[in-house]
Amino acid sequence: AQSVTQLGSHVSVSEGALVLLRCNYSSSVPPYLFWYVQYPNQGLQLLLKYTSAATLVKGINGFEAEFKKSETSFHLTKPSAHMSDAAEYFCAVSSAGGRRALTFGSGTRLQVQP
Amino acid sequence: NAGVTQTPKFQVLKTGQSMTLQCAQDMNHEYMSWYRQDPGMGLRLIHYSVGAGITDQGEVPNGYNVSRSTTEDFPLRLLSAAPSQTSVYFCASRPGLAGGQETQYFGPGTRLLVL
Repeated sequence: AQSVTQLGSHVSVSEGALVLLRCNYSSSVPPYLFWYVQYPNQGLQLLLKYTSAATLVKGINGFEAEFKKSETSFHLTKPSAHMSDAAEYFCAVSSAGGRRALTFGSGTRLQVQP
Repeated sequence: NAGVTQTPKFQVLKTGQSMTLQCAQDMNHEYMSWYRQDPGMGLRLIHYSVGAGITDQGEVPNGYNVSRSTTEDFPLRLLSAAPSQTSVYFCASRPGLAGGQETQYFGPGTRLLVL
């Protein structure tokens, strides 16, 4: 079984401030981890993914995430928030076996204040 | 490539009505799936398919049927709509050859309101 917990359903930061969105996972086998972003009234777009290569993963729009096995975490960061980063962010986990489906967290809505 | 397309974008149904949500992809992906998105619950898997003629249930399959007669199309059928099925529905696809590390590509979603 696999699961994802995203701490904080809403996060608000000022423009230019650090963005930190938290994700913890549970998986009985080595996981693959993903961050997706959803802009209003749109589908989900992949930001980045971890597939057991480098533990620090760089994605689009200046985002990155670090896989920490000891903490079962995959937190998403961006050094300086931009107004265009306002969206909902989803962490997801999958594994090589089983149904090969993604299990999503409940999402974190990021607000960026001017 | 158009990617993953979904129709309609928005639909209002009355309780008990049936309808089909359409999903198509032009990337020759083996794996397709349907999710529903509800506030505070993320996306939950309804049904999925690993190839033409092969489907299986996900986390929340009750009240929904699927079929996969071609690689491109994966329609989702609501047999008798209920207010609890009011949600946003997303179709997704991925190549399906390398296991769970593949990127899933999502359609723009169908917003369904059941009165």
